[in-house]
Amino acid sequence: AQRVTQVQPTGSSQWGEEVTLDCSYETSEYFYRIFWYRQLFSGEMVFLIYQPSFDTQNQRSGRYSVVFQKSFKSISLVISASQPEDSGTYFCALSELITGTYQRFGTGTKLQVVP
Amino acid sequence: EAAVTQSPRNKVAVTGGKVTLSCNQTNNHNNMYWYRQDTGHGLRLIHYSYGAGSTEKGDIPDGYKASRPSQENFSLILELATPSQTSVYFCASVGGQNTLYFGAGTRLSVL
Repeated sequence: AQRVTQVQPTGSSQWGEEVTLDCSYETSEYFYRIFWYRQLFSGEMVFLIYQPSFDTQNQRSGRYSVVFQKSFKSISLVISASQPEDSGTYFCALSELITGTYQRFGTGTKLQVVP
Repeated sequence: EAAVTQSPRNKVAVTGGKVTLSCNQTNNHNNMYWYRQDTGHGLRLIHYSYGAGSTEKGDIPDGYKASRPSQENFSLILELATPSQTSVYFCASVGGQNTLYFGAGTRLSVL
């Protein structure tokens, strides 16, 4: 069964600090991708970064990177030098590639970055 | 730039009424999804489509129908709206590497 869990409903950070948001998942597939999206206060959903299961290298995009622990079925989003503009709700999502199933989302972590 | 447009942005409906939520994408993407977002549940998939003429049930399809008359348009239909369908609805098209491009969302209130 496919399941995505984000146990932190909320998080906070001070301006300039590094932030880590956690996600765990369940899948029986070997090939899959984990995505991270951010929901702005306007409601808009924005793609941030994704990690393919077959890539042992942690992906990085600008100030976003992931820590991928495949054996634990765990992935963390790391935001370096956090800024107030990074505030919002962060979702991880699982997409299984072989079965071609759709992306299933976690419940999200609402992050607030304060000056 | 990918473009997914939802209409209306806000809708108030009466219980038992019919509601149609529309989604248009100019990305020429084959796959499209309808999700609903509720506090504590994240985004849950209602229906999806692989292309014109195709609709498939997602995780929570009960009470909803979908229609994909063309590559660009994907509609979500509530034939008999109920208060439990009050939610924010998102349409998305699927681009390269399975990345989702979302519309701005439709806030639906069923009274």
